[in-house]
This record gives sequence, structure tokens and C-alpha cells, in this order.
Amino acid sequence: DARVTQTPRDKVTEMGQEVTMRCQPILGHNTVFWYRQTMMQGLELLAYFRNRAPLDDSGMPKDRFSAEMPDATLATLKIQPSEPRDSAVYFCASGFGGETQYFGPGTRLLVL
Amino acid sequence: SQQGEEDPQALSIQEGENATMNCSYKTSINNLQWYRQNSGRGLVHLILIRSNEREKHSGRLRVTLDTSKKSSSLLITASRAADTASYFCATINQAGTALIFGKGTTLSVSS
Repeated sequence: DARVTQTPRDKVTEMGQEVTMRCQPILGHNTVFWYRQTMMQGLELLAYFRNRAPLDDSGMPKDRFSAEMPDATLATLKIQPSEPRDSAVYFCASGFGGETQYFGPGTRLLVL
Repeated sequence: SQQGEEDPQALSIQEGENATMNCSYKTSINNLQWYRQNSGRGLVHLILIRSNEREKHSGRLRVTLDTSKKSSSLLITASRAADTASYFCATINQAGTALIFGKGTTLSVSS
């Protein structure tokens, strides 16, 4: 049963620290997405990759966020330095473009 | 924005009743999708309806699509407590490369 996995599941850190979130997409999927979910903003698309190449990261604060896909089995989302307003649940999803997306369980981030 | 918007924001019903959620969107689409999110979990795909389809069924789910009104509805029949979740519609962005999600309808089914 293929699934998207994310680590860590929970992260508590202090303001100013670097946070790295990892995602293993479903093998064979050509598109990987990063979302952020908060009560106020709902589900926001941060960035996505197709065949490991970044397609769009316009939803991401560029000064502190970076997303990479070093190989087909790993996508990373980094925040440096982290701020309390970054507290949210971060989801990774994989799929094929505008078709069905498969979501990971999320990383719940709390920045103190 | 091409974001779909669900209506109502929240819905409370009794077990056995039907639940209907609506989604409106702004531009032409190739497909529209519905997802469910249980508390603290990731989103799970429920159903995809293409622009040339008017209605689609999956178990107790029935989805309709009216492209002339740019709207879709999700009907859950004979609801169960386990259907308690948030439900999101999603449409494709202008580039055709990613989905944009609405803010969701929170459904609460009490036994």
C-alpha cells in the first residue's frame, strides 16, 4: 500500500532555529506538492515540483523558506530562521499534475 | 483566484441523515475533486468528476457538477458518525499544474 511519508510528525522549536521537514513521495508520481494549513488561512500551496524540477514556489515566503528535491524519493522544506507565525501543519502530497493527489500525514510545527 | 469555495462552512446533522455540501469556483475547469480530512490527519481523495460529467457516484457519495453555474455539490447519504470530518473541493490552477483547495466544510455527525 503505497503512501506518502513525512518526518518529523511533530516539531517544537524556538524562534530563530532552522527547521527541516522531509517527505517521501509515492514512487512513480511525477509531481510533489508542499502545503501549509492553518485555521486562519486554510490550506495554502507553498511550492511544487514536477520530475524534481521546481515548477512554482510563489506561495512560499522566499526570504526564509526553501524547498528542494534532491532525488526522486526525497523532498525537503526548510525554514531558516523560523518564526512563531510559521506554526502550522505542513503537508506533502504527490500525484500527477492536476489529477488525484495523495497526502502525507503532515508535520505539525510549533515555533515558540 | 481559482479557489473553490465551499458552503456551508459548518454542518451538523444526526446519523442517518443526508449531508449536502456545495462548492463554487471561478474559472473553467478540467476536473473538480473532493477530499476529506479527519481531525489531525492528511487529506484523502474521495472523488474526481471531469468537466464532461454531470454526476458521479461512489458508495454513499454522490457528486454533481454544473459547469454553467460553476458549481458542484457533494451529497453523503445515510451519514455515520465516522463521516465527521472536513470536506474540501479542489480545482486546478491556471497553469494546469496544481490543485487549489477551498477552505472546506466541517461536517459533524452525531449519534
